[in-house]
Amino acid sequence: KQEVTQIPAALSVPEGENLVLNCSFTDSAIYNLQWFRQDPGKGLTSLLLIQSSQREQTSGRLNASLDKSSGRSTLYIAASQPGDSATYLCAGYSGNTPLVFGKGTRLSVIA
Amino acid sequence: NAGVTQTPKFQVLKTGQSMTLQCAQDMNHEYMSWYRQDPGMGLRLIHYSVGAGITDQGEVPNGYNVSRSTTEDFPLRLLSAAPSQTSVYFCASSYDQLNSPLHFGNGTRLTVT
Repeated sequence: KQEVTQIPAALSVPEGENLVLNCSFTDSAIYNLQWFRQDPGKGLTSLLLIQSSQREQTSGRLNASLDKSSGRSTLYIAASQPGDSATYLCAGYSGNTPLVFGKGTRLSVIA
Repeated sequence: NAGVTQTPKFQVLKTGQSMTLQCAQDMNHEYMSWYRQDPGMGLRLIHYSVGAGITDQGEVPNGYNVSRSTTEDFPLRLLSAAPSQTSVYFCASSYDQLNSPLHFGNGTRLTVT
């Protein structure tokens, strides 16, 4: 059964810093991995989806990588801004079960 | 497109009452799902559907029923509400699970007293 872990649970950085959020998964037979953003009181918004055949995906200041062999994905945020403050969740799909979510990392970017 | 629409936004129930949380999407998505989100527990899958007429149980299905009579709608029914069902409920949809990102509604905050 796929399990997804995100460490740390919370992170605080000064504005302008480049940062990396981590996601680990137990089943290397993963079909895809998605990163989401959740603002307080809102639903989740999809940021990036990486297929198992891909190594990374980029959207603006965001870059997500996927390493199946090590069971890890990272979300890199360049030049962080206060507007990036939110909870970031990753989720993996392995085919045998629906999407499995990590518990998220709550990011605070301090101006 | 409105995306994924959930109603109501807030609901308070008494123990034992029943209700239906509504979810509709206008993106012609085949896959739809219901999650509950609780502090410290993350998102847990309740039920999901890979197409009209097909539903399956997720991680925490007890106390909930679903049906999928149309592609657009996927209502979640609470049969006899319990305080343990106090949570935020999210509906989500996608074209498929393999190639498409999951789109979420804004959630329904349910309190059972």
